[in-house]
Amino acid sequence: DSGVTQTPKHLITATGQRVTLRCSPRSGDLSVYWYQQSLDQGLQFLIQYYNGEERAKGNILERFSAQQFPDLHSELNLSSLELGDSALYFCASSPSYGTTDPYEQYFGPGTRLTVT
Amino acid sequence: AQKVTQAQTEISVVEKEDVTLDCVYETRDTTYYLFWYKQPPSGELVFLIRRNSFDEQNEISGRYSWNFQKSTSSFNFTITASQVVDSAVYFCALTHMEYGNKLVFGAGTILRVKS
Repeated sequence: DSGVTQTPKHLITATGQRVTLRCSPRSGDLSVYWYQQSLDQGLQFLIQYYNGEERAKGNILERFSAQQFPDLHSELNLSSLELGDSALYFCASSPSYGTTDPYEQYFGPGTRLTVT
Repeated sequence: AQKVTQAQTEISVVEKEDVTLDCVYETRDTTYYLFWYKQPPSGELVFLIRRNSFDEQNEISGRYSWNFQKSTSSFNFTITASQVVDSAVYFCALTHMEYGNKLVFGAGTILRVKS
């Protein structure tokens, strides 16, 4: 158990819908990262938050957005869903950002999204 | 740009065989970090090791060992006396502080260990 929790574990929804994925980082970790794992794209970085602020962005679609709340949990919002958005979405956390030694990122169990 | 290549898509071995998973990376940075993660059939990503670019010492942890060679930009992972429980997808990843610590993953290598 990494200490990172993600809910829900599975999500099945229809095209055009909107869903919210939730992540709680390990106790004390300030950074939260979101990754998408799909068959055709592999594991790709989406976005990072540090202590409530966006710090880095990857190839995240405009239909996707995220935020980190004061209690440090994070939510990833996916809207106007398409079949190609079906993937495993991981959240990871780490305690530091931009310091001399980036800590390893601990991953949550993932949310498997199926768009039908 | 950073890139990680895991040329071995799938490897099958028989239990107790040794197996090496290859990882080749590209980066223009002098300070970077390399990682290995394991993804068992249950789907979670399990951290195995982190290595910074200034530490080329090889590391051994039980049946696992890692060989980091800057001269060839490689960070290979060897499992000695493989077991069925080692069956998983293994990912090599690269990061640098400038990129906000985001991980750039290789495509992964599927390891199948048969009894």
